[in-house]
Amino acid sequence: RKEVEQDPGPFNVPEGATVAFNCTYSNSASQSFFWYRQDCRKEPKLLMSVYSSGNEDGRFTAQLNRASQYISLLIRDSKLSDSATYLCAILTGGGNKLTFGTGTQLKVEL
Amino acid sequence: GAGVSQTPSNKVTEKGKYVELRCDPISGHTALYWYRQSLGQGPEFLIYFQGTGAADDSGLPNDRFFAVRPEGSVSTLKIQRTERGDSAMYLCASSQTGVADTQYFGPGTRLTVL
Repeated sequence: RKEVEQDPGPFNVPEGATVAFNCTYSNSASQSFFWYRQDCRKEPKLLMSVYSSGNEDGRFTAQLNRASQYISLLIRDSKLSDSATYLCAILTGGGNKLTFGTGTQLKVEL
Repeated sequence: GAGVSQTPSNKVTEKGKYVELRCDPISGHTALYWYRQSLGQGPEFLIYFQGTGAADDSGLPNDRFFAVRPEGSVSTLKIQRTERGDSAMYLCASSQTGVADTQYFGPGTRLTVL
């Protein structure tokens, strides 16, 4: 089993839709969780950190479920500009290295 | 302020050649990381520097790969006797202290081995 698993998609959704991605992890000792956004042929950029209490930033909401070992990302009122690959990442190795999932591709269409 | 920079942005080389990839971290960041990303995959950890020393090199795939950070700032990833399987995007990231910090990525170097 991979340390971090994501559905690669693609998720094709119409503009304005709500879409949710999950990411499961195998190491129950993991402490820090992140969602990164990656545009085609560009570097990953931090979208948001994921806290136990959940966090929200505008149209984006991230949640952590420790019991079931997954994190989620919810995008409301999706825009064309949200089209990208969304990578979940977990800090491992004593908090020194990120372990990434394969990424979930989102395509928002007119 | 200036982000992480990497040079070159693209590198094409022939099988068996030696290449060097450079990373300039955000000023003042003590931690520096190298990752490798193949098509359709997430980035995979290669090596982590804290200051001048390699604190964790467990991700380096074999002894053809080596990285240095002699003055605790710029880092160079060196690949000897390149193979076609080394073709990938090589990403560098830096963080302020290296302990559960946000990592900021550079634009990457796309390496193609013919």
